[in-house]
Amino acid sequence: RKEVEQDPGPFNVPEGATVAFNCTYSNSASQSFFWYRQDCRKEPKLLMSVYSSGNEDGRFTAQLNRASQYISLLIRDSKLSDSATYLCVVNMVIGNQFYFGTGTSLTVIP
Amino acid sequence: DGGITQSPKYLFRKEGQNVTLSCEQNLNHDAMYWYRQDPGQGLRLIYYSQIVNDFQKGDIAEGYSVSREKKESFPLTVTSAQKNPTAFYLCASSDRDYSYEQYFGPGTRLTVT
Repeated sequence: RKEVEQDPGPFNVPEGATVAFNCTYSNSASQSFFWYRQDCRKEPKLLMSVYSSGNEDGRFTAQLNRASQYISLLIRDSKLSDSATYLCVVNMVIGNQFYFGTGTSLTVIP
Repeated sequence: DGGITQSPKYLFRKEGQNVTLSCEQNLNHDAMYWYRQDPGQGLRLIYYSQIVNDFQKGDIAEGYSVSREKKESFPLTVTSAQKNPTAFYLCASSDRDYSYEQYFGPGTRLTVT
């Protein structure tokens, strides 16, 4: 079983739409959670950390459900520039290893 | 500006040659990592280092070697024993004492023919 699983998509949405991505993790000892964005042929870049209470950064909202072991990312009012692959990342802290989902592809259509 | 640099951006080698990829960071991070990404796939961990002079194998260490003689530097050698070396190689670092967020360099795209 993979440590982190994501729906690969692709998600094709019109500009202005709201889109949500989910991610599940297998190890209940996981302690830090992140969403990264990766553009084609570029390195992943940190989008936001995910806190237990949930957190928001502009049009982006991240949620963590420890009981069900899943993380979500909500993007409101999608822009063309949001087109990218979104990676769910989990850190165990002990051992300080990061586990990556395979990514969810988003294309925002004019 | 603080960050992670990787060089070169593109690298071409003939089969059977060893090649070393550079990774330098000035973020004062203790932990550094090497990942490999193949087209349409996720990141796979090759090696990681939590502190100078110490490193551990990741999931796909065979055919690779690393060293960590300085905090700032974590070079990766792709040896001739690596069967499918053509890939996108990403170096990252993290501050385990603060946020555990991981930051990536721009990557090196290695092509072996």
